[in-house]
Amino acid sequence: EAQVTQNPRYLITVTGKKLTVTCSQNMNHEYMSWYRQDPGLGLRQIYYSMNVEVTDKGDVPEGYKVSRKEKRNFPLILESPSPNQTSLYFCASAFDRTADIQYFGAGTRLSVL
Amino acid sequence: EDQVTQSPEALRLQEGESSSLNCSYTVSGLRGLFWYRQDPGKGPEFLFTLYSAGEEKEKERLKATLTKKESFLHITAPKPEDSATYLCAVQQGGGADGLTFGKGTHLIIQP
Repeated sequence: EAQVTQNPRYLITVTGKKLTVTCSQNMNHEYMSWYRQDPGLGLRQIYYSMNVEVTDKGDVPEGYKVSRKEKRNFPLILESPSPNQTSLYFCASAFDRTADIQYFGAGTRLSVL
Repeated sequence: EDQVTQSPEALRLQEGESSSLNCSYTVSGLRGLFWYRQDPGKGPEFLFTLYSAGEEKEKERLKATLTKKESFLHITAPKPEDSATYLCAVQQGGGADGLTFGKGTHLIIQP
């Protein structure tokens, strides 16, 4: 089954404690992306990657890091989380850079205390 | 500065009452405009991609149209299962491959 898998689904952490949210896709897609979704602000792109070792900033990259060492994986790293990063995070993938038909993961709800 | 504005923010319709959702955009060099549906607690689900003004696409009770400044998602004779948040997104071409989403329209269809 074609899917985008995020882990964990729920995470509660404290300010400053480094964390990683994993994302994996099994569709051999080139394009992968991370979004955060906040009430009243909608879905905002954090980072995206058009292929292995190629990443670009989205609209809200501050405080986040990503890497794309393998085609299937695109982890999101918060080196020093802060309360304003409390949000619902989605990973998505698409066949190529046109981003036509993005497939989204189920989401990771992060709370930073 | 918003590049994508969706209206209305929320819409409540009776079952069978047709209506339209609007997505206006200001990006130049549009590569594509996308419509997604999002159910509570789930990730967005792809509906349509539109690439050029005048293009139309249909799926069941939904029809998406595109002009140079806006897109409409027309919902004909909706059913309660059409209740969801509908998201519009644009991708600007010319090497900038990020996507910008609107804030969405929360649609409720009452039986």
